[in-house]
Amino acid sequence: DSGVTQTPKHLITATGQRVTLRCSPRSGDLSVYWYQQSLDQGLQFLIQYYNGEERAKGNILERFSAQQFPDLHSELNLSSLELGDSALYFCASSVAVGLHNEQFFGPGTRLTVL
Amino acid sequence: KNQVEQSPQSLIILEGKNCTLQCNYTVSPFSNLRWYKQDTGRGPVSLTIMTFSENTKSNRRYTATLDADTKQSSLHITASQLSDSASYICVVSPNQRVELIFGTGTRLQVFP
Repeated sequence: DSGVTQTPKHLITATGQRVTLRCSPRSGDLSVYWYQQSLDQGLQFLIQYYNGEERAKGNILERFSAQQFPDLHSELNLSSLELGDSALYFCASSVAVGLHNEQFFGPGTRLTVL
Repeated sequence: KNQVEQSPQSLIILEGKNCTLQCNYTVSPFSNLRWYKQDTGRGPVSLTIMTFSENTKSNRRYTATLDADTKQSSLHITASQLSDSASYICVVSPNQRVELIFGTGTRLQVFP
């Protein structure tokens, strides 16, 4: 158990819909990262927040957005869902934003778009 | 373009045997290289983190090596156990950038 929690564990929805994925970082971690892992693909970095502020953006679609709240939990919002958005979405957290900071991953949310 | 390539794509070994997984990367410059273990349907777990100046790092039965000149890394697993069955992912952290670049992993299956 990494100490990072993600809810829900599974999510099934239809094309065109909007969903929100939630992540609570490890106690004491200020930085949160979101990743997407499609079937048989490597993890793709989406976005990073540190202490409530966006710090880095990766291959995140405009239909996707995220935020980190004052209590440091984070939410990833996915809208106008397409079949290709079906994937595992992982959240990770680290103490700070240093390049050598170890990232601890949550168990993931499996999103299925029908 | 694939900046982190891993081989083999999959590997089957018998319990108790050793194995070596390979990682070639083109990311340059980079600040560190990591190996993660990912059980099916679960989040990756860090095994080792090496900076560009380190050549080897061990974590129990896992030993990672790094050759920054040839841009190659390997993960050696000693005396494999059934619980080693998982995907092993090589991850490179580009210099001055927060994002991690993940390989697609090697899927290892250990049979009794």
